[in-house]
Amino acid sequence: AQTVTQSQPEMSVQEAETVTLSCTYDTSESDYYLFWYKQPPSRQMILVIRQEAYKQQNATENRFSVNFQKAAKSFSLKISDSQLGDAAMYFCAYRSAGSSNTGKLIFGQGTTLQVKP
Amino acid sequence: DTEVTQTPKHLVMGMTNKKSLKCEQHMGHRAMYWYKQKAKKPPELMFVYSYEKLSINESVPSRFSPECPNSSLLNLHLHALQPEDSALYLCASSQVPRSTDTQYFGPGTRLTVL
Repeated sequence: AQTVTQSQPEMSVQEAETVTLSCTYDTSESDYYLFWYKQPPSRQMILVIRQEAYKQQNATENRFSVNFQKAAKSFSLKISDSQLGDAAMYFCAYRSAGSSNTGKLIFGQGTTLQVKP
Repeated sequence: DTEVTQTPKHLVMGMTNKKSLKCEQHMGHRAMYWYKQKAKKPPELMFVYSYEKLSINESVPSRFSPECPNSSLLNLHLHALQPEDSALYLCASSQVPRSTDTQYFGPGTRLTVL
């Protein structure tokens, strides 16, 4: 079975600084997708970024980028130029691809990010 | 339009009540999901509907009864719940379950069982 681990329950960053959230996963599959979701307090969960396992190039979305290390099964999220609106709980998630894909997302335990003005 | 709507936003019910949660999307998605989320925890998958048919039931107690009347609508019927069922219930949708398409989440219904 696949597992996702986020070892940092809480992180804080100064506004305009850069922060990196860690995520590791365990799987025997070769084809899968990884996601970072953001859930602000009392607000909707939204997708921040996704990475296809077969792509070597790290995904980037504006101030958000990932460091995907497939051999190490690591998928960290870097937030540059942090803004107050980035304060949220961040979940790393795994989803099988191909014939193993049932649509199920497997989430890590989450990292609460605080942004200090 | 990437919106998934859920009603009601908040629900308080007694253990003998029957209530329903509603989820709606108009993105043409054919996969819809129910998740349960406890405070400061990740969402836990409950059910997956694929083309209006139940494809996954994650061993959820029968006091939760899902229904998918059409491709845009997903209901969760609640009956004889327990206080430990109090949680945020999230609905999500994606184009089709076997694709790698993004799951879009609704804002959730915060349920309190007294």
